[in-house]
Amino acid sequence: ETGVTQTPRHLVMGMTNKKSLKCEQHLGHNAMYWYKQSAKKPLELMFVYSLEERVENNSVPSRFSPECPNSSHLFLHLHTLQPEDSALYLCASSRLAGGFGNEQFFGPGTRLTVL
Amino acid sequence: GENVEQHPSTLSVQEGDSAVIKCTYSDSASNYFPWYKQELGKRPQLIIDIRSNVGEKKDQRIAVTLNKTAKHFSLHITETQPEDSAVYFCAASIEKLVFGKGTKLTVNP
Repeated sequence: ETGVTQTPRHLVMGMTNKKSLKCEQHLGHNAMYWYKQSAKKPLELMFVYSLEERVENNSVPSRFSPECPNSSHLFLHLHTLQPEDSALYLCASSRLAGGFGNEQFFGPGTRLTVL
Repeated sequence: GENVEQHPSTLSVQEGDSAVIKCTYSDSASNYFPWYKQELGKRPQLIIDIRSNVGEKKDQRIAVTLNKTAKHFSLHITETQPEDSAVYFCAASIEKLVFGKGTKLTVNP
């Protein structure tokens, strides 16, 4: 599959569970991102990785833990989440992390429900 | 940091009419301004972008204008069609994209 893929597409978890979201990009990009999309904040940047190094942590609670093992893969590890964390989690990638060339390509998202 | 305001939050037009969505940004150093379209249940996709050294860009029925002095930019859609119905997001970028809150556009047949 080309572009940006995400798994799983849907996830239901309890507040005591530990789960991980996976993102993979097949575009040869150097930057990857996690966004949270909810009714209150339509596109809220969570994390930015550039060349596998985290360059942005947008005041995200520690119950969200990102991991970028290489420039093609990005994970978001989840533990002890709250019901208000229910949202669509979007992964994106871009050729470069900032300024010109920052066109972002989004994955289809993971719809997360926390019970 | 950068702050992007987007208006209106909802917009309803008749098919064939024009639609205009406006955004303002706070950081004069921002140099890249993309617009994304997100159809219901789908991912956001880039539809047009403009860089700070250009004042206007057009691609068929859509156009974007940038006023650097006033720090605002706008999306113009002409001859709207029902398939234009979606949520549109503007963004401004220096090091990272900062998105507006989105405009839900409804084109009524």
